This record gives sequence, structure tokens and C-alpha cells, in this order.
Amino acid sequence: DIQLTQSPSSLSTSVGDRVTITCRASQPISKYLNWYQQKPGKAPKLLIYAVSSLQSGVPLRFSGSGSGTDFNFTISSLQPEDFAIYYCQQTYSSLITFGQGTRLEIK
Amino acid sequence: EVQLLESGGGLVQPGGSLRLSCAASGFIFSSFTMNWVRQTPGKGLECVSSISGSGSTHYAESVKGRFTISRDNSKNMVFLQMNSLRAEDTAVYFCAKDRSSAHWGQGTLVTVSS
Repeated sequence: DIQLTQSPSSLSTSVGDRVTITCRASQPISKYLNWYQQKPGKAPKLLIYAVSSLQSGVPLRFSGSGSGTDFNFTISSLQPEDFAIYYCQQTYSSLITFGQGTRLEIK
Repeated sequence: EVQLLESGGGLVQPGGSLRLSCAASGFIFSSFTMNWVRQTPGKGLECVSSISGSGSTHYAESVKGRFTISRDNSKNMVFLQMNSLRAEDTAVYFCAKDRSSAHWGQGTLVTVSS
């Protein structure tokens, strides 16, 4: 299985901050990398697919970049509703896998 | 509108069995891979199994030989038969449409405990 390692595991941040989360794959996965947001008691929400494509309806402050094994997810200016857990996901291999998650907390 | 509705969760003893169902609507069901993704309380996400529109299946090592995924394209449903359940299978189980999953069900809780 392809392992995804996210960093940091948690981040204490403030409204208005610029935040970047990193996801590293255990082998090259081309552009098969997505990012999800999850809030308590809810299913994950797809934000970005294929590394950098914004899912319909997702605000422009969310963006993604990277290739091969190293990927970044950025929120340009944190809003109150953005405090949540974020997961990367690879769809390169037959069985999809997720990173362990990054929790954004209010400082 | 795409809708996914899971059912079949509950409390089961270790070694027991449970069958989860997911009813899908709002899209051409037979054209899409369907996934079962679980989330342990307070932990991350694990895709335990997926099935393509044509029926090709894949399983996580943690459930291989114990869980079986299937689908009925005539009824727009996907199933997860879970046998030899263990305490570590306790989780919320989601069904999710497609490999990049923009649509998820609300989840069904499976608790394995004596």
C-alpha cells in the first residue's frame, strides 16, 4: 500500500493566517492526490482533486500544489469555518489511502 | 442530487458478522467505483474496500479474508459483508462514490464488543 505522511499533525493558528500542510507519498503518485476537510460528526468534504483542481463551490482561498511524492495544501487566509481536520488521499493505487490528518486549532 | 444512505450497523460480539448496505441514487450507479471507508473514533480514515462498476474488488490488508464487498447494479446498492469481527473493527463506516469522493453517506456505526 502507498503510505501518505502529513505534517504537521496539528497546527494552532489564528483567523487570517496563511497555512500550509504537507503530504508526502511513499512512492511517486503522479497527480493522483486529493485533499479533504472534515468537521466533527460529518463526512469528509472533497476540496481539491488532482493536486490542484478546486472542487465546485470551494472558496478560492484553498489551493494545492506538488507532484511526484511531495504535495502542499494551502489556505491563504484562514476563516473561522476552516478550523477542522484536513486529509490528503491518493488514488494512484488500486486501494485508495489517506494521510493521518492535520488538525487546525484556534490559537 | 446524489444521495448515499448506509444501513446495517450496530452492536455485535467479537467473532460475529454484520452486513452493511448502501443505497445510492441520483447518478448512473453502474458507472462508478464505490468505496467503504471507516473511521475509528478519534482516528483517521481507512478505505477498507472498493468495487468498480464492473465488479473488480480491492481490500485493505486489515480486512482481507474477513470482509466481502459486492454490488447490485439493478438495485443501485453496494454491500459490505463483515465476518470474524474484531474489537478493532469498531468504527463509523461510510460509503463513498468514486475514487475521488465528492459524495459520501452519513455513516453507520459498527461496535464490536462483548
